[in-house]
Order: sequence, then structure tokens, then C-alpha cells
Amino acid sequence: NAGVTQTPKFQVLKTGQSMTLQCAQDMNHNSMYWYRQDPGMGLRLIYYSASEGTTDKGEVPNGYNVSRLNKREFSLRLESAAPSQTSVYFCASSKDRNTEAFFGQGTRLTVV
Amino acid sequence: GQQLNQSPQSMFIQEGEDVSMNCTSSSIFNTWLWYKQDPGEGPVLLIALYKAGELTSNGRLTAQFGITRKDSFLNISASIPSDVGIYFCAGQSLNTNAGKSTFGDGTTLTVKP
Repeated sequence: NAGVTQTPKFQVLKTGQSMTLQCAQDMNHNSMYWYRQDPGMGLRLIYYSASEGTTDKGEVPNGYNVSRLNKREFSLRLESAAPSQTSVYFCASSKDRNTEAFFGQGTRLTVV
Repeated sequence: GQQLNQSPQSMFIQEGEDVSMNCTSSSIFNTWLWYKQDPGEGPVLLIALYKAGELTSNGRLTAQFGITRKDSFLNISASIPSDVGIYFCAGQSLNTNAGKSTFGDGTTLTVKP
């Protein structure tokens, strides 16, 4: 089982460039999430999707947009990348509310 | 927003020693989760706790859901080198329409052979 798959694994962007991080899960989970992880810090929620067709802001949504394309896929878009968005981004999914999340391997993004 | 205080921030221990780490919150949680993150990987669930007072074991790992619902601890017994990594606690409240979690800042564990 692939679980949660993120692409790309690494990316370097110039300030002002845009890009989309892709995420897909094959576990038929209802909920999906995007987190960012910065050194010495835990994971902070950017956006989440409780179910197909819905998205909501998390703790740190500024500078990002998301699309829940279908039940399997949840993408994160940076419209105009900034150095402060240099981070490791994790996509996760869970079956329902109050159940554990399964994480992808992460996308390491550097904005120069 | 909700915040979790996880301690200690880091631990350096000898192989064979026991480890204890904890998380406290100002808010009540209905679910506590403990994850481990290996270098270059995403977090992986170790133990999930769903009831106040619950004590759950998974091999050498034991975790408890505090009776006040505002804290949880994780113990690792007889540590081995592969226990190295970052351990995160995460809490989920009932007032959410998805299983989104609030994460602690992590405990980095180093085990010396």
C-alpha cells in the first residue's frame, strides 16, 4: 500500500514563483491535511479538508491555497513564494474525525 | 488557539535506560496521539488514547491519557539505538469537524550505544 504520496520530494523556488504541491491517498480517507514543519517546532496546520468538497483554514493559512480535487487528492498552492515559506510540508489523511492521521514523506521546499 | 507544551525538548540517554516525556495543555482534549518521526520521514503513529485515564502499551512503549484530559505522557522502557528520533504528542478536541490535531514541539531523543 502506498498510503499518502507527496510530490515533489524536494523543490527550490525563487521568491515570487508559484508552485503546487501534490498529495494523494489510497486509503479511502475522508479527511486530508497540509502541515508545515520548521526546525525545532511541531507541525502547524495550514489547511484541511474534512471531506470531499470542503476546505478550511488551519493555524497558518496566509500565502497558501488548497484544492480538494476529489476524495483521493488534496493539493497545496503557493501563488507567490516567499523565503518565510521555506519549510518541510507534510500532507496527511485520516478516516474520520478523532482518528489518527497518516503522513506522507514530506516535501522539502526552499525559497531563495 | 490551543497550545501544547511538550517536555523535555531533547534527551540524551544511554542504551538500556528508560525514557519519559509528557505534554500538557491549557485546553481539554478528547484524543491524545503520540507520533515518532525518523529523519527524512513523516511522523508515524505510535499510540492513540481515546479515554481519560486510559493507559495503553505498545511493546516497550506505554502512554497515558491524563485524568484531567489536559495532559499525557509517553514512557519508553529499555531504550535501544533505533528509538532515536523526534517524538510528538498531538491532541484533538471534540469541537472540530475533522480529525485535525494540535502538535507539541517535539522531544528529540538521542540514544548512545
